[in-house]
Amino acid sequence: EAQVTQNPRYLITVTGKKLTVTCSQNMNHEYMSWYRQDPGLGLRQIYYSMNVEVTDKGDVPEGYKVSRKEKRNFPLILESPSPNQTSLYFCASSFAGLASYNEQFFGPGTRLTVL
Amino acid sequence: AQTVTQSQTEMSVQEAETVTLSCTYDTSENNYYLFWYKQPPSRQMILVIRQEAYKQQNATENRFSVNFQKAAKSFSLKISDSQLGDTAMYFCAFMKDSGYALNFGKGTSLLVTP
Repeated sequence: EAQVTQNPRYLITVTGKKLTVTCSQNMNHEYMSWYRQDPGLGLRQIYYSMNVEVTDKGDVPEGYKVSRKEKRNFPLILESPSPNQTSLYFCASSFAGLASYNEQFFGPGTRLTVL
Repeated sequence: AQTVTQSQTEMSVQEAETVTLSCTYDTSENNYYLFWYKQPPSRQMILVIRQEAYKQQNATENRFSVNFQKAAKSFSLKISDSQLGDTAMYFCAFMKDSGYALNFGKGTSLLVTP
């Protein structure tokens, strides 16, 4: 089944404790992206990647890191989480090329709480 | 930067009725794409419908249709014959022709009642 998976789905952690949220897709997509969703703010892009070893900042990159060592994986790293990073996180992927025709597939979301 | 505005935060409709969700956007781009996403309580993001700005014809997908007014920068979603399963948060989103990032509105929560 074609899908985007994220792990963990739920995470409660404490301020300053490094964490990684994994994202994996099995559709051979070039483009991958991370969004965060906050009440009243919709979804905002954190980072994106056009292909292996190619990443770039989105609208809200502060406090986050990403890497793209393999095409299928795009982990989101919080080196020193803070309470303002408590949010719902989504990973998305799509083929590159004609972006408008390539539907972005979203993962199931990761609910992160930073105490 | 592109901004997407959904002025309705919450809406309610009775089953089998029709409801329209509003969306306006601001851009200086001429070519772009607009989307409506549905997020049910499961939190999964589901693409409902998309519209290419260069197409004058409004997109339709079964019970879902849009009213795209390019000059007014308006992109409303009409849901006909509403069903209980349509209860969800609906997000309007914009994407530039040259990009991949989706710019989302803040969402409209739709409740379909029996």
